[in-house]
Parts: sequence; C-alpha cells; structure tokens
Amino acid sequence: GENVEQHPSTLSVQEGDSAVIKCTYSDSASNYFPWYKQELGKRPQLIIDIRSNVGEKKDQRIAVTLNKTAKHFSLHITETQPEDSAVYFCAASTGTGGFKTIFGAGTRLFVKA
Amino acid sequence: NAGVTQTPKFQVLKTGQSMTLQCAQDMNHEYMSWYRQDPGMGLRLIHYSVGAGITDQGEVPNGYNVSRSTTEDFPLRLLSAAPSQTSVYFCASSYSWENIQYFGAGTRLSVL
Repeated sequence: GENVEQHPSTLSVQEGDSAVIKCTYSDSASNYFPWYKQELGKRPQLIIDIRSNVGEKKDQRIAVTLNKTAKHFSLHITETQPEDSAVYFCAASTGTGGFKTIFGAGTRLFVKA
Repeated sequence: NAGVTQTPKFQVLKTGQSMTLQCAQDMNHEYMSWYRQDPGMGLRLIHYSVGAGITDQGEVPNGYNVSRSTTEDFPLRLLSAAPSQTSVYFCASSYSWENIQYFGAGTRLSVL
C-alpha cells in the first residue's frame, strides 16, 4: 500500500525566513497531494493541494512542488509569520487497493518572532 | 451548513466497554473516512466509505467497525475498548477520494 514519509519532524525558523517541508510517497499511482495545517487543539484544514498533472502551484506565501518521477513533493512557506506556527501534514491519495488518503507523520513548525 | 459534526467531544471508557463515535455531514459528500491521531504518528486511516452501503478498511482497522446506511452518517464502533485505542479520532468527508477533506472537530477518547 501507499506509504508517505515526511521530513523534518520539527522545524524552527526566524520570522521572515522561508520554511520547506518535504514528503516522499511510494505508490506511483497516487495522483492527488494535499497539505493540511493543524493548530493546537484544532482540526486539520487544507492549505494547498496539487494534482499529478501539475508541477507547481502557488497561493500567496505558500507553494507546493511535485516531482512525479522522484515521487516527492514539497511545501514552501515564504516570509513566515508567528501565526504560521502549527503542525503541517502532507498526504497522498491513491486508488490502488482501494481509495485512500495516506498522511505523513507531520512537521511541527515554530516561527520565532 | 454545519459541515462535519462529531459527537461526543470527549469520552472515557473502561477496558472492554463498547461505544459508538458519531459522525454526520451535511454537504452531500460521498466519501467519508475515520482517522486516529497519536503523537508523532500523524493521521492514520481506520476505515473509509465511498458511498452509502460501501465501506473498506484503512491502515489500522482492527478493533473498529463501521457502517454507512445513509450518505450523511458514518458511525465508528469500538467493539471492546483497549488502552491502545486511547487517541484523538477525526471524521472527514469529501466530494471524492481525491479531493479536499473536511474534518470534524475530533473526539478525544481515553481507555482506562
């Protein structure tokens, strides 16, 4: 089945710096790659997603890149702000062996003011 | 439009007890799923459903049952609770399996 690995598990940056979180997946049939942000005690919420027919997508300070050949995708946050502090999860959706979305273990991002 | 509603928010069980976690959505989504969240392990898929009457196992299905008799509801049943099932449980729904998922607020379960 699908396996998603996410790195780093913890990331600390200075306000205004960029943050990059990387994920790899195992199932070449996966075709939808969302990123969720979870603040402390809250539910996960989608921040950006990308489909397999697209290499890059941007939404203001957030961008995601996808390399299907290498089976990895990354989240880039520029000009980080304290309110970006949260846990970020990557995920991969596959139709192989069922219809599943498998999540990475998460990255805890700290933005220091 | 309430989105995804989970009840209860908190629950304490004794080992061996059974209970049902409720999940309902009002967005007419076909795809619904249950995850458990444990520290350092992300969100692990327990069971999912692609429509009324259709369910399937996720990554960690043992000890849990689900059913989907209507589009709106997707309850999760713990048959005989064990301390290893202490976790935060999230229900989610989406238009399809490869689309944005909307999560409920979660149920924090402790099994003593």
